[in-house]
Amino acid sequence: EDQVTQSPEALRLQEGESSSLNCSYTVSGLRGLFWYRQDPGKGPEFLFTLYSAGEEKEKERLKATLTKKESFLHITAPKPEDSATYLCAVQTQTGANNLFFGTGTRLTVIP
Amino acid sequence: NAGVMQNPRHLVRRRGQEARLRCSPMKGHSHVYWYRQLPEEGLKFMVYLQKENIIDESGMPKERFSAEFPKEGPSILRIQQVVRGDSAAYFCASSPARAGAGYTFGSGTRLTVV
Repeated sequence: EDQVTQSPEALRLQEGESSSLNCSYTVSGLRGLFWYRQDPGKGPEFLFTLYSAGEEKEKERLKATLTKKESFLHITAPKPEDSATYLCAVQTQTGANNLFFGTGTRLTVIP
Repeated sequence: NAGVMQNPRHLVRRRGQEARLRCSPMKGHSHVYWYRQLPEEGLKFMVYLQKENIIDESGMPKERFSAEFPKEGPSILRIQQVVRGDSAAYFCASSPARAGAGYTFGSGTRLTVV
């Protein structure tokens, strides 16, 4: 059975304190791994797609990496505006185009 | 920037009434997906549609729920005879036709059943 597990569930950081969020997955065949950001009361906002182990993508203070078992979202020198829930999702070879989501990591960055 | 448009943003229904949620995909996107998000839970896939076709409805409850994406007009998620447990945020997403493409999500419809 396909499974996506995100850790930690919640993370509090001081402004400027770098850290990483983890997304481990067990799927029959990975077509793509997606990272989204979700603010309270809003829809998920697309961040990155990773397709193969070893791939990395960056955007401002965020960097996503992928291995055969997990993905990391590294946040460098976070700011309060980075506070949000970060969602990881996988798209599998056997499924249709739908995404299978983890439950997210709720990040709070304290000024 | 015409993204994925969902309406209404908030919907209150009494138990037993029908709820209709609408979704207009991004321009150029031909695939629509509906997801449900319960409080403190992750996004759960419900149904995947293309114009006039249901591609995958494996996440849809067998009763009371239906979805369509007609040739003209928005995609509709219909919930008949709503119950308290249907209270959730319902998100629509769209994508272009190519596999592996990222989704764009709408802002969601928050359904409250009283």
